[in-house]
Amino acid sequence: AQTVTQSQPEMSVQEAETVTLSCTYDTSESDYYLFWYKQPPSRQMILVIRQEAYKQQNATENRFSVNFQKAAKSFSLKISDSQLGDAAMYFCAYRSSGNTGKLIFGQGTTLQVKP
Amino acid sequence: NAGVTQTPKFQVLKTGQSMTLQCAQDMNHEYMSWYRQDPGMGLRLIHYSVGAGITDQGEVPNGYNVSRSTTEDFPLRLLSAAPSQTSVYFCASSYARAGANVLTFGAGSRLTVL
Repeated sequence: AQTVTQSQPEMSVQEAETVTLSCTYDTSESDYYLFWYKQPPSRQMILVIRQEAYKQQNATENRFSVNFQKAAKSFSLKISDSQLGDAAMYFCAYRSSGNTGKLIFGQGTTLQVKP
Repeated sequence: NAGVTQTPKFQVLKTGQSMTLQCAQDMNHEYMSWYRQDPGMGLRLIHYSVGAGITDQGEVPNGYNVSRSTTEDFPLRLLSAAPSQTSVYFCASSYARAGANVLTFGAGSRLTVL
């Protein structure tokens, strides 16, 4: 069975600086998808970024980028130029390539942004 | 375009009562699922469905029942509520095909069982 681990329960960053959230996963599959979701206090789950395992190039979405290390089974999220609105809980998630679509989540990391 | 709609947003139950959390999506998604979120444990899959008439168990199915009679609706039933089912519940849906498999989540339902 696949597992996802986020070892940082809480992180903090100064506004305008860069922070990296860690995520590791365990799987025997070769084809899969990885995601980072943001959950602000409103509770809504918002997709931040997605990575296909077959792609070697790291995904980037504006100030958000990932460092995908397939061999090490690591998938970290880098937030550049942090903004107050980035404060939230961040979840790393794994999804198999099959059509069941089950998403396996990590425990979450709470990010605090200091002004 | 409403996306994924969950009702109710908040509910308080007494132990032993039954209730149904409703979930509806208007995107013609094949895949629908229910998760529960508990502090320090992330989101855990309760039940999921890959199409009308097809359901399967996730990681934590005990105490919950589902059915999928239409593509749009995927209700979650608690037959006899227990305090351990106090949680925030999320419904999510997506297309089944690999290139469009990003889950869209509902706003969540906070359930308290006394």
